[in-house]
Amino acid sequence: EVQLVESGGGLVQPGRSLKLSCVASGFTFSNYGMNWIRQAPGKGLEWVAYISSGSSYIYYAETVKGRFTISRDNAKNTLYLQMTSLRSEDTALYYCARGAGMGYFDFWGPGTMVTVSS
Amino acid sequence: NIVMTQSPKSMSISVGDRVTMNCKASQNVYNNIAWYQQKPGQSPKLLIYYASNRYNGVPDRFTGSGYGTDFTLTINSVQAEDAAFYYCQRIYNSPYTFGAGTKLELK
Repeated sequence: EVQLVESGGGLVQPGRSLKLSCVASGFTFSNYGMNWIRQAPGKGLEWVAYISSGSSYIYYAETVKGRFTISRDNAKNTLYLQMTSLRSEDTALYYCARGAGMGYFDFWGPGTMVTVSS
Repeated sequence: NIVMTQSPKSMSISVGDRVTMNCKASQNVYNNIAWYQQKPGQSPKLLIYYASNRYNGVPDRFTGSGYGTDFTLTINSVQAEDAAFYYCQRIYNSPYTFGAGTKLELK
């Protein structure tokens, strides 16, 4: 059974950093591109970042480019999102999701909540 | 960047009705659209990819159509469990932009 479990969320002050993790199981992690998508409270979905299976291709949304870094460790079946210079508008539930093809996502984790507030 | 505009924002439908919701891209995206269903408190679920391909296990009452800039998700004979938010998404080329969603409520 495919499982994705995010962790690392919490309350953080504006301007500070936070690193999210997503542990994958039930499939060959190294064969799939992975993504982070976020959802602010009561709002819609926003794609954040993509990393290809071998980390050769990385894309970011304009709203996080230069502040967030996506990475992965295929030996540990783990996806990461390093977030720096956090802003209140980064407050959201952060999902990791498996890439099923070019830019669409077939399995999602339950999400980890990030709250940016002083 | 391409903007995805969904309409209506919400709709209230009776069980057994047929419902159609729309997604309009600000530029030609060919057939590069996906649709997701999200129920309260749950993660989104993939329904349709490349505009009209039903994902594994998705009931055949869900149908996607369209090409270019105008796309439609149709649910035939809506069931109570279909009450949810529905999101379209531009796929294939980054950024993988989502629409703002359509809320489907059951009367």
